Formats: sequence, C-alpha cells, structure tokens
Amino acid sequence: DAGITQSPRYKITETGRQVTLMCHQTWSHSYMFWYRQDLGHGLRLIYYSAAADITDKGEVPDGYVVSRSKTENFPLTLESATRSQTSVYFCASSEATMNTEAFFGQGTRLTVV
Amino acid sequence: EDQVTQSPEALRLQEGESSSLNCSYTVSGLRGLFWYRQDPGKGPEFLFTLYSAGEEKEKERLKATLTKKESFLHITAPKPEDSATYLCAVQAVPGGSYIPTFGRGTSLIVHP
Repeated sequence: DAGITQSPRYKITETGRQVTLMCHQTWSHSYMFWYRQDLGHGLRLIYYSAAADITDKGEVPDGYVVSRSKTENFPLTLESATRSQTSVYFCASSEATMNTEAFFGQGTRLTVV
Repeated sequence: EDQVTQSPEALRLQEGESSSLNCSYTVSGLRGLFWYRQDPGKGPEFLFTLYSAGEEKEKERLKATLTKKESFLHITAPKPEDSATYLCAVQAVPGGSYIPTFGRGTSLIVHP
C-alpha cells in the first residue's frame, strides 16, 4: 500500500531497554522526520533526514538515535528507554522542506514502565 | 518562548455555530504557514499552506487567512465531523533548514 507506515502501533517497554520504532514510506520522498507528541507540548521534532545517510538533530534529540541507510526507511531507536520518553511518536515524510506539506504516519504509542 | 501560539486551546461549538481559531507567530522571515487536522489516534493531515499576508484558502467549511503576525482558521457552520485538533506550523528563514515549527493545537468539539 502506498503511504507512510509506522510499526508497532503500540509498545510497552521497561526502563533501560533498547527499543526501535520503524517507519517506511513508499513515495521516495527525500525528507523524513520523527516527532514526539505530548500533552502541553504539541509536536516536537526529534530528528530529521534530508536523504539517505544524511540526518540531523531536531529540538529534542537526547536519548534517541536514527539511521537512514535506504530512502524509504527511517528507524528511531531509544538506546536506553526512560519514563520521560513515554509519548506518541509520529514519523513524517515530504518531498522537500520548502513550502511542502508533510505526510504523517499513524503514530506509535510508546509506554516506558 | 513559543514561536507559534495557538488559541484557544480548546473550543466547543454547537453545530452551525461559526467561529475562528488563531495561530500567532513571532518568527521573522516567514516562508510558509501550514494548517493540519488531527483526528484522535491518527497522524496530522495537511489542510492548507499560506505564503504571504493577505492570502486566503478555502476547503469546504474551512477558510484560512494570513496576516503578518497571525493566521486564522475560520469554520463556517461546523458539523460534528469537523471535531478534531487543528495544528498550525510555521516555516521561517532563520535556522536554514526550513523545518516547520508546530504550535500546540486547538482541540475543537462540535456538538450536534
């Protein structure tokens, strides 16, 4: 199916564990983004990527690692999960950043216990 | 300090009761302002892009307008299916990456 898909949709993990959230898009968009959404904060950018093998930090990158070996995939890894990383995570993609809308996945609800 | 402020945080309307949502921004060098709609449990969905003061765009019961300091999303005769959170995002020259910055959103509930 065309579009942008995230997996898993829901995840519960323990403090200190490593967890990876997956994101896959079928449009061959150059740009991909990871956001977290929390009550009272709205959408905050974690990392973004302008192309394969090019990534850069956003507003809240600490505790997260990203990679982009292929254009269509942009996984987000929490190296050692903390309770403060409990959130809803959204992946998005766009053709460019200038004056171009982003297309969002359905989100992953992550709970760290 | 937030660069993008949306108000009100929450809005309850009766079906058919028109109103406006506000998105004010403090960035300089605005390159684009985006409006998105987000339904519960889903990702944001693009609605409009506005580029310059005075510009307006419409889609069904929604009309977005832009001034030099703020944008309004006018909802005319809303229906219950318009209930959602509406997000705005601004894209500005400072920073160079042109990654849009999002506001916290306005949660709209339209009662039948």
